[in-house]
Amino acid sequence: KQEVTQIPAALSVPEGENLVLNCSFTDSAIYNLQWFRQDPGKGLTSLLLIQSSQREQTSGRLNASLDKSSGRSTLYIAASQPGDSATYLCAVRTGANNLFFGTGTRLTVIP
Amino acid sequence: SQTIHQWPATLVQPVGSPLSLECTVEGTSNPNLYWYRQAAGRGLQLLFYSVGIGQISSEVPQNLSASRPQDRQFILSSKKLLLSDSGFYLCAWSDRLEQYFGPGTRLTVT
Repeated sequence: KQEVTQIPAALSVPEGENLVLNCSFTDSAIYNLQWFRQDPGKGLTSLLLIQSSQREQTSGRLNASLDKSSGRSTLYIAASQPGDSATYLCAVRTGANNLFFGTGTRLTVIP
Repeated sequence: SQTIHQWPATLVQPVGSPLSLECTVEGTSNPNLYWYRQAAGRGLQLLFYSVGIGQISSEVPQNLSASRPQDRQFILSSKKLLLSDSGFYLCAWSDRLEQYFGPGTRLTVT
């Protein structure tokens, strides 16, 4: 069974700092990997989707990479802002209806 | 554009009472639909998914059930709630590529 791990569980950084969130998965046979953001008490907002054939995706200050063979993905956030404070979740898709989530990294950006 | 609605936003129910949570999607047809539960400090757990009207697949045996009476409507139900049913319930739809989530329902069973 696919297991998804996110490290660290929580992270605090000063505003303006660049940071990297990590996601690892045990089974490299994936269709795609998706990064989400979740604000407290809210639903999930999709940030980036990387297909299994892709190495990275970028959206604004966010860049996600995928190394399928080693079972790793990173989410790079440039020039962090207080508004980036949230929990970041990664999820890997292994089938049409199989999406496995990590437990998330809770990010706090300190003004 | 597509939107997904869930209601109610919050719910407090006593143990043993029934439950009905509703999810509707607008702006798409024949979506795959999902119910997830997020317990405190834990990851998202897939409860049910549906690929069409009346077609429900259960991922986790429990006292919950799901129904899809219309193409864009997904309902999560229980006849008798347990304390362990407390959590944050999220509905999602998929275009077979990405998943898109609703705003969630916070359920507290007392």
